[in-house]
Amino acid sequence: GAGVSQSPSNKVTEKGKDVELRCDPISGHTALYWYRQSLGQGLEFLIYFQGNSAPDKSGLPSDRFSAERTGGSVSTLTIQRTQQEDSAVYLCASSLEPEDTQYFGPGTRLTVL
Amino acid sequence: KQEVTQIPAALSVPEGENLVLNCSFTDSAIYNLQWFRQDPGKGLTSLLLIQSSQREQTSGRLNASLDKSSGRSTLYIAASQPGDSATYLCAVRTSWGKLQFGAGTQVVVTP
Repeated sequence: GAGVSQSPSNKVTEKGKDVELRCDPISGHTALYWYRQSLGQGLEFLIYFQGNSAPDKSGLPSDRFSAERTGGSVSTLTIQRTQQEDSAVYLCASSLEPEDTQYFGPGTRLTVL
Repeated sequence: KQEVTQIPAALSVPEGENLVLNCSFTDSAIYNLQWFRQDPGKGLTSLLLIQSSQREQTSGRLNASLDKSSGRSTLYIAASQPGDSATYLCAVRTSWGKLQFGAGTQVVVTP
């Protein structure tokens, strides 16, 4: 069956531009997560969506980062006015319920020049 | 604040040896612990999930134990193969949904 998919796989942008990263979770999964993996910081939590509840945004590093999940399925992570320190691999995961195994997508590698 | 530590950071073993990977966490109030592997340039693949009420989980050559009171988990991989070469990450769930990861152990299995 289809796993978690993310697009684009690679994104190169210039400092100051906005970017949008997309995540398609596994069908039927109620929970969706965004993480960021960078050399200096390891893997860190960004934001979590569960059903129709308000998202847990506690991991977002600044107000330049935002995310939405439409129709309980696809999610978009938006980074405004990108900075070089935003360069990282952005990983999306989904799970059937919050207590279940999280399944990860292949990630989007973001490079900010 | 929860901290997750994995030791060693890197490990190299000859094919056929058993692998022992360690994960420790500072706050025992966890919901579950999950082990992942990550291949270079790829996402994470889930290996095993242990609920906080469980002591161990097994899947094929993999066995993971959990001692919540001492804040430790160990992943055993029996009879290692070159295809087991990857980075192994442990993660604990300390609040609804959110995972906190260790830095990983990079494993190389030599033929």
